[in-house]
Order: sequence, then C-alpha cells, then structure tokens
Amino acid sequence: DQQVKQNSPSLSVQEGRISILNCDYTNSMFDYFLWYKKYPAEGPTFLISISSIKDKNEDGRFTVFLNKSAKHLSLHIVPSQPGDSAVYFCAASEAGGYQKVTFGTGTKLQVIP
Amino acid sequence: DTGVSQDPRHKITKRGQNVTFRCDPISEHNRLYWYRQTLGQGPEFLTYFQNEAQLEKSRLLSDRFSAERPKGSFSTLEIQRTEQGDSAMYLCASSPGQGAGSPLHFGNGTRLTVT
Repeated sequence: DQQVKQNSPSLSVQEGRISILNCDYTNSMFDYFLWYKKYPAEGPTFLISISSIKDKNEDGRFTVFLNKSAKHLSLHIVPSQPGDSAVYFCAASEAGGYQKVTFGTGTKLQVIP
Repeated sequence: DTGVSQDPRHKITKRGQNVTFRCDPISEHNRLYWYRQTLGQGPEFLTYFQNEAQLEKSRLLSDRFSAERPKGSFSTLEIQRTEQGDSAMYLCASSPGQGAGSPLHFGNGTRLTVT
C-alpha cells in the first residue's frame, strides 16, 4: 500500500515561475513531513520539513503547505531556477519511534531556462 | 561533517553470488538506516539500527539479506544467493535522532546489478 503518493511523475516549469509539487498521504499517524531532492547518481538530500501542528513552513525560495484535513501537502518553489531541476520526494514519519521515513514515488522537475 | 559514505558505488554480480555493501555514517549519528530504491520508485525502508542494535526489519528484507552494525559505527548489508530482482540502488542514511523530524542524511548509494 502506497501511504505517500505523488501522482505527477514529472513537471516542467519556466525559469522564474512558480513550481508546485503535490503530495497526498493516507496514514493518519504521520506527524512530520519532509521533502527531499535528488540529483542523478546522488543520494536524496533534505530540503524542508513541516510538523503536523503547522500549516506552513518557509525557507528562502521553498515553502511547504500542509492541509491535514485533506491529507495533502505541497512544495512551492519561487522563483524556479534551472539548478532546481531534480527529482523531489515527499516523505513522512510517524510520531515517536525512530523516525522511519516513508517516501513517495517522486516528481521529476525540469526548470526550463 | 564528511557525510555518509557507501562502498562500492557500483556492483555487478552474477545471479547466485553473494555481495556485501558497506556504509560509514556521519560519526556522531547513532541511528542508521538502509533503504532500497528501484527505477521509478521512492526509497523503501529495509532496516534500522540504534547504535549496534538492529531494531526493525522490513518484510522486504528476506532471509537472504542480513545487516550488521557491530560496533555501532559502520554497517554492512549482505545479500546471499542474489537474484535479478535484487537489482536496485541500496541507500544508507544516518540521523542523530534528536527531536521529531530530524532529517536523514543519505549516502550516494550502491547500485547493484544482478545478471
């Protein structure tokens, strides 16, 4: 069962415009949500996170929005830059425990110069 | 912070052979994770260590797979009698485990190809 879903396998955006990546989850026990970025031939790197007690977290050009009632989160990148071209994974972990992280299938973002 | 190191980066083996991968986590991190990623999928959890104790194993980890972290530092993942379905990227990650949502730090992975 896919507990974290990214329904868009790819997204193309013009440089300078906004990129919006979406993610849905099914497990109500998830209480922390993270976005990771992955370049080819490298491991995923942490980008930004949000606790379930918040609905927005911002870090520079990156903002994550969480809608708990809809079990939906999104990552906004403004303005998008060519260096943002990568695969973005949505991930989630449950309260307590040892932070086992469940990942989505990823969205490949291409920012066109 | 020298990052998480994995060795080798690539491994090609014939079906039925045994392979072993090594992971060196960030030195002060006491939590270590193994994940597997196949084409078009996100990383899938395999197993977790808190110091030297292996505290959880995924049902994806068949009895052909074994992982160790003998002194709470580096870890090894061994696959016995490899099958073509084992072909994947094997990712190691570590975490200091401080507070909820402490992000995982991943290595660059070992790509296994079973022919």
